[in-house]
Amino acid sequence: GIQVEQSPPDLILQEGANSTLRCNFSDSVNNLQWFHQNPWGQLINLFYIPSGTKQNGRLSATTVATERYSLLYISSSQTTDSGVYFCAERGFGNEKLTFGTGTRLTIIP
Amino acid sequence: NAGVTQTPKFQVLKTGQSMTLQCAQDMNHEYMSWYRQDPGMGLRLIHYSVGAGITDQGEVPNGYNVSRSTTEDFPLRLLSAAPSQTSVYFCASHRDQPYEQYFGPGTRLTVT
Repeated sequence: GIQVEQSPPDLILQEGANSTLRCNFSDSVNNLQWFHQNPWGQLINLFYIPSGTKQNGRLSATTVATERYSLLYISSSQTTDSGVYFCAERGFGNEKLTFGTGTRLTIIP
Repeated sequence: NAGVTQTPKFQVLKTGQSMTLQCAQDMNHEYMSWYRQDPGMGLRLIHYSVGAGITDQGEVPNGYNVSRSTTEDFPLRLLSAAPSQTSVYFCASHRDQPYEQYFGPGTRLTVT
């Protein structure tokens, strides 16, 4: 099945800093999603972005499907941005979402 | 819309007990799934359903049963709980297109 690699695994930043998280995929990208798992364990949908660029407030994401990667940008970080960020891809002909191992983001006040 | 809801939020079982984790969605999604999340293992698909009356196995189906009698509900049954089933369980739903999955808040299950 499809392999999903995320980098960096951990990121510690001061409040107000910007960050870029990356996902690489071993196969074609068709149904890419970004999630934020907050410290209470909830999985929150950030973006459904099989291609192109989307923005939502301080967050934006870009997927380059032909090169099999996606980037998540977080600007002006706040402590509420802390948690684990996952990207996930379905893979062709597969019902399950395959998740990356996540990037743990810690924002220090 | 409440989205995807799950009950209970927390549960402790003894080995051998049975229970049902409830999942419901009010978005009229055809597809529903159950995942478990374990440290170091990520999220793994247990069972899924492509519509009322239709279910299929995922990666880790052993020890779990599902049924889908309505579009809205997709309960997960543990017939005889084992400590290896200690995990956080997430229910998810989506339409056929776009394939964007929405997750419930999770059920944290401990089997002693």
